[in-house]
Amino acid sequence: SAVISQKPSRDICQRGTSLTIQCQVDSQVTMMFWYRQQPGQSLTLIATANQGSEATYESGFVIDKFPISRPNLTFSTLTVSNMSPEDSSIYLCSVESAGGFGEQYFGPGTRLTVT
Amino acid sequence: AQSVSQHNHHVILSEAASLELGCNYSYGGTVNLFWYVQYPGQHLQLLLKYFSGDPLVKGIKGFEAEFIKSKFSFNLRKPSVQWSDTAEYFCAVTPGFNDYKLSFGAGTTVTVRA
Repeated sequence: SAVISQKPSRDICQRGTSLTIQCQVDSQVTMMFWYRQQPGQSLTLIATANQGSEATYESGFVIDKFPISRPNLTFSTLTVSNMSPEDSSIYLCSVESAGGFGEQYFGPGTRLTVT
Repeated sequence: AQSVSQHNHHVILSEAASLELGCNYSYGGTVNLFWYVQYPGQHLQLLLKYFSGDPLVKGIKGFEAEFIKSKFSFNLRKPSVQWSDTAEYFCAVTPGFNDYKLSFGAGTTVTVRA
């Protein structure tokens, strides 16, 4: 299994600012994923990040709002830009396991509150 | 777009009671099915999965789930719950053989009273 860490674990930010969330994995992985879990709701995939290529965004999410970097096989960042209170969520990164087909290991999440 | 429905938002049980959580999905083709669990203060982790073969799959901690293709369902069961089963449970689906994108249900919070 993969061990995933995220920084920061939580933050409180003012509207209009940006926050970059880091995701570190203890092994090399091809695909990393970023999810959002809004209060009282389920996890929604934001984008898939492959090393060496542009991230692939899901419907409703755009690069200008959620730029992603994937500089190597163990690290990725997600930036939440120009934040509003509606961006208050838990943001999680995950990686695909060797089992594939959607079996993923998840990080602990970053709890973001925008005031 | 496919969707995943979990029937119960919050379930409260006493220890030793049986648990069944419903999950239905809306995708007509081949699917891969998962139950993930998040214990208080811990990461989301895999409880069990179904790719193919025997539709009754067993996971960790005594949990099992049954895939009923005709009903588009993948219900989670445990015959006798423990206080430590208090957690949030998520059903999730990926379609087909080459699609890794998980679609999650809304989650069910299970509270087990000692």
